[in-house]
Amino acid sequence: ETGVTQSPTHLIKTRGQQVTLRCSSQSGHNTVSWYQQALGQGPQFIFQYYREEENGRGNFPPRFSGLQFPNYSSELNVNALELDDSALYLCASSLAPSGGNTGELFFGEGSRLTVL
Amino acid sequence: SQQGEEDPQALSIQEGENATMNCSYKTSINNLQWYRQNSGRGLVHLILIRSNEREKHSGRLRVTLDTSKKSSSLLITASRAADTASYFCATGANSKLTFGKGITLSVRP
Repeated sequence: ETGVTQSPTHLIKTRGQQVTLRCSSQSGHNTVSWYQQALGQGPQFIFQYYREEENGRGNFPPRFSGLQFPNYSSELNVNALELDDSALYLCASSLAPSGGNTGELFFGEGSRLTVL
Repeated sequence: SQQGEEDPQALSIQEGENATMNCSYKTSINNLQWYRQNSGRGLVHLILIRSNEREKHSGRLRVTLDTSKKSSSLLITASRAADTASYFCATGANSKLTFGKGITLSVRP
């Protein structure tokens, strides 16, 4: 148990719809990063939030957006869903953008999104 | 794009044997991490090795890093059925990690 919780665990959407995924970070962690993991691939960095501001973004289009709240929980929003958005979405929290002394990210169990 | 590339893609061994997994990367790094993932669930951090370190141990895990060859290896000694999982190497800074495609390890009882 990492203390990072994600919801929902599974969801099914159709093309063109919008989805919101939620993440509660581990207590004391102020940095949340989101990753997309397609089947059979490694996770790909989407973006990171630090103290409620976006702090870096991977190669994802603007229809992927996020928020971080004062309690450091976070949301990932995806608009105009495409079939290729089907993936496991992982949230990871850390003590700081540097990952603290160990550089360790603490991952949630993920939200599995299927787009039909 | 994937920075790290793990090798082999899949590995099947008998319980009690050692498992060696390799990772190559393309650009200069400050550190390299290894993570484990059970059955498409969340990733669990195993170990981090810094660029000025050549070898690091944690329990049954041994990680080496060769910055001249841009490669790392993860050795799991005396493997157990519970070690069955996917293993990923990751590089990057400030929690923005780039992962390889992973190695699927199966440990037969």
